[in-house]
Amino acid sequence: NAGVTQTPKFQVLKTGQSMTLQCAQDMNHNSMYWYRQDPGMGLRLIYYSASEGTTDKGEVPNGYNVSRLNKREFSLRLESAAPSQTSVYFCASSEGTRAGTPLHFGNGTRLTVT
Amino acid sequence: EDQVTQSPEALRLQEGESSSLNCSYTVSGLRGLFWYRQDPGKGPEFLFTLYSAGEEKEKERLKATLTKKESFLHITAPKPEDSATYLCAVQARGSQGNLIFGKGTKLSVKP
Repeated sequence: NAGVTQTPKFQVLKTGQSMTLQCAQDMNHNSMYWYRQDPGMGLRLIYYSASEGTTDKGEVPNGYNVSRLNKREFSLRLESAAPSQTSVYFCASSEGTRAGTPLHFGNGTRLTVT
Repeated sequence: EDQVTQSPEALRLQEGESSSLNCSYTVSGLRGLFWYRQDPGKGPEFLFTLYSAGEEKEKERLKATLTKKESFLHITAPKPEDSATYLCAVQARGSQGNLIFGKGTKLSVKP
């Protein structure tokens, strides 16, 4: 039982390149989330999927797109990377949107854009 | 605007020296307050959920408490392995499960 798996663990991109961050969970969770974590900023929500077939913008969605491929997988795409997107990206999942339901996080993708 | 503020930013303790971490929050209808632990290079690990003022939860040397405006994470007789960054988060009214996080308190426990 791996929980939430993110690939790749590390990535270096040049400005303007594109890439997709992959996330998969094996807990049969309904909801999935993408956060970014920057020094001094805390975790900020990029996009989320409350249930399979739905996606919504979070606090900082500009420059990103997402796809909820199926119940297990939720990918984050950077179409044209910018240095401001250098960050650590965390995927999380939860059983659902009921009050008090915790999020379970993967170990992150560390992205550097030069 | 929903907001979470944690203090102090960093805390250094000697092994066995008990202390508390603070999380102040402003939220439009609290659906839950969460504490997480984050080790370097890892994702946050869930510790507790608190729902209403007066509630307390305990796990080993950690105890979390909640009032109407803030939460405390009390650490009793800490050990070096308790060194980590502790994150506080809230779930607000209208949330689709997403959490609003504070910036964290980095705890170092020296032997």
